[in-house]
Amino acid sequence: QQQVKQSPQSLIVQKGGISIINCAYENTAFDYFPWYQQFPGKGPALLIAIRPDVSEKKEGRFTISFNKSAKQFSLHIMDSQPGDSATYFCAASSGGSYIPTFGRGTSLIVHP
Amino acid sequence: NAGVTQTPKFQVLKTGQSMTLQCAQDMNHNSMYWYRQDPGMGLRLIYYSASEGTTDKGEVPNGYNVSRLNKREFSLRLESAAPSQTSVYFCASSTRGQEYGYTFGSGTRLTVV
Repeated sequence: QQQVKQSPQSLIVQKGGISIINCAYENTAFDYFPWYQQFPGKGPALLIAIRPDVSEKKEGRFTISFNKSAKQFSLHIMDSQPGDSATYFCAASSGGSYIPTFGRGTSLIVHP
Repeated sequence: NAGVTQTPKFQVLKTGQSMTLQCAQDMNHNSMYWYRQDPGMGLRLIYYSASEGTTDKGEVPNGYNVSRLNKREFSLRLESAAPSQTSVYFCASSTRGQEYGYTFGSGTRLTVV
């Protein structure tokens, strides 16, 4: 059973638009929710992360929104740029095990 | 600062051949991991080592073995490669704290023919 469900699988956005990627989780013990960004030919890299005690975290053009009651969290990329074209993975982990459970990834393409 | 270094970057094996993927980190991290990445399947954990001297199975350990050689190095061995093991393999490391996340290597693209 997939513990972290990520959607959409792929996303095409025009330059300047907003990219939104959603994730839902099952395990209520999860207490750390990172997002990773992966460029072609590279390993994933930590982009931004949130804990469930806040509903939103913003870093530059990247924002995580978190809804604890719905067990959902999402990544918003404002003013999307062609350089944002990458695969994005959401993940979740709990304090008992630092090993994250990853979503299946979203391939984002931002057209110029 | 090199971070996590994986070798080789590319490899083609024939079915039944064996090989070892090497991984080394220079960040003094306690924990190290091996993942495989397949299209549409995301990142799946093969094996991990929470600390030097320990190793544990992840989600997809069959057909693989690992060795935590020392704190810096964690190798992944395919004893008898199968076409189903064609994948991109990533090594990662982390400190015990969640908030620092993982540092991934740049990957090994393995093709088994």
